[in-house]
Amino acid sequence: DQQVKQNSPSLSVQEGRISILNCDYTNSMFDYFLWYKKYPAEGPTFLISISSIKDKNEDGRFTVFLNKSAKHLSLHIVPSQPGDSAVYFCAASGGSNYKLTFGKGTLLTVNP
Amino acid sequence: ETGVTQSPTHLIKTRGQQVTLRCSSQSGHNTVSWYQQALGQGPQFIFQYYREEENGRGNFPPRFSGLQFPNYSSELNVNALELDDSALYLCASSNSQLRGGPNTQYFGPGTRLTVL
Repeated sequence: DQQVKQNSPSLSVQEGRISILNCDYTNSMFDYFLWYKKYPAEGPTFLISISSIKDKNEDGRFTVFLNKSAKHLSLHIVPSQPGDSAVYFCAASGGSNYKLTFGKGTLLTVNP
Repeated sequence: ETGVTQSPTHLIKTRGQQVTLRCSSQSGHNTVSWYQQALGQGPQFIFQYYREEENGRGNFPPRFSGLQFPNYSSELNVNALELDDSALYLCASSNSQLRGGPNTQYFGPGTRLTVL
């Protein structure tokens, strides 16, 4: 039973355009959400997080939106750069849970 | 500030052997979590250590065990290795003010384990 789902295995965008990565979750106990970026042969790098008391959090080119009623979050990257090409993981934690539950990831390719 | 480090980078073992993986947490962090990442999957939680005690465990058998030391570094031990244990093993550290509280985890580069 996958509690965090990233339904798009891959996404391709042009440099300078917006990249939108989506994530859905099923567990109502989740109250903290994170996005990580992963290059091959490296560990996941933390990008941005959001608490369930907010619906938006921004950090530079990265914005995360949370829709609690739909149990959906998204990561917007504007403008996209070729160096953003990587696998992006959505993760969630909450309640008495201390662990992170990850989606399967979305491979983002930004074309020059 | 030193990030999370892991050793070794790569490891090849045969079925039935035992392996120990090591992790040094980021400076100032008191919590270490271990994850297993199989090919094409997201990381799966193995267990977490907070102040040298296990703070929760995922759906992994008892042959996966761990330790955390007073300097917050940690070990992951796997006994009786099976072919399916081949994966990338990731260590993550965080600074939890509250046990079980929300925390951002910072990952090391991982150890690639191959079981033949």
